Amino acid sequence: AQTVTQSQPEMSVQEAETVTLSCTYDTSESNYYLFWYKQPPSRQMILVIRQEAYKQQNATENRFSVNFQKAAKSFSLKISDSQLGDTAMYFCAFRRNNNNDMRFGAGTRLTVKP
Amino acid sequence: DVKVTQSSRYLVKRTGEKVFLECVQDMDHENMFWYRQDPGLGLRLIYFSYDVKMKEKGDIPEGYSVSREKKERFSLILESASTNQTSMYLCASSLQSRDKVRFGSGTQLSVL
Repeated sequence: AQTVTQSQPEMSVQEAETVTLSCTYDTSESNYYLFWYKQPPSRQMILVIRQEAYKQQNATENRFSVNFQKAAKSFSLKISDSQLGDTAMYFCAFRRNNNNDMRFGAGTRLTVKP
Repeated sequence: DVKVTQSSRYLVKRTGEKVFLECVQDMDHENMFWYRQDPGLGLRLIYFSYDVKMKEKGDIPEGYSVSREKKERFSLILESASTNQTSMYLCASSLQSRDKVRFGSGTQLSVL
C-alpha cells in the first residue's frame, strides 16, 4: 500500500510570511495524483491544491503552490503571504490513477500568528 | 450547493451497542469513502464503495462493516462498539479518481 509521510506535526508562521509544509510518499506507480487538503476548526476538509504526476509543471492556486519532485517522491506545499485564516490542519494525500481510494498523511497543524 | 451530509455531528454510545453512521451525497458520485481521523495518525481509510452494493476494504476495516443500497447513501456500521472506536469519522465522495473528493463535516463518536 502507498504511504504518505508528513514529518512536521506542528508549524507556526508570522502573518504575511511564507511557510513550507513537507510531504513525502512511497509508491511504485508512475501515474497518480497528489493533493493538499486543509481542515480548519470547523472540521470541513477543503481541497487546497492538486498535482497530477505526469505533469512536470508545479501546480499553483493563488498564494498556494507546490514543489513536486517526482524522483524524490516529495510534494511540499508553500503558502505565501500567510493569513490568519490559513490556521488549520493540512493533510497531504495520494491517489493512484484509475483507483478509487485515497491515502492521507498524519497532518501538519499550522498556526499563523498575528 | 452540492454537499456530503453526515447525519450526526456528535454521537455518544455505550460499549457493545450497534452504531450506524449515515452519509448522503447529492452529486451522483460513484465513489464513497469512510475514514477515521485520529490525532497523529491522520485519516485512515476504513472502507470505500465504487458502486451500489460494491465495497472494498481500506486499511482498517476490522470492527466495521458498510452498506450501500442506494448510490447516494453510504452507511458505516459498528456491529459492537468498543472504546477504541472513539474517533472522528469522515465520509467523502468523488466522481472519478482524478476528481476532487468532497468531505462531510465529520461525526465525533464517543464510545463509553
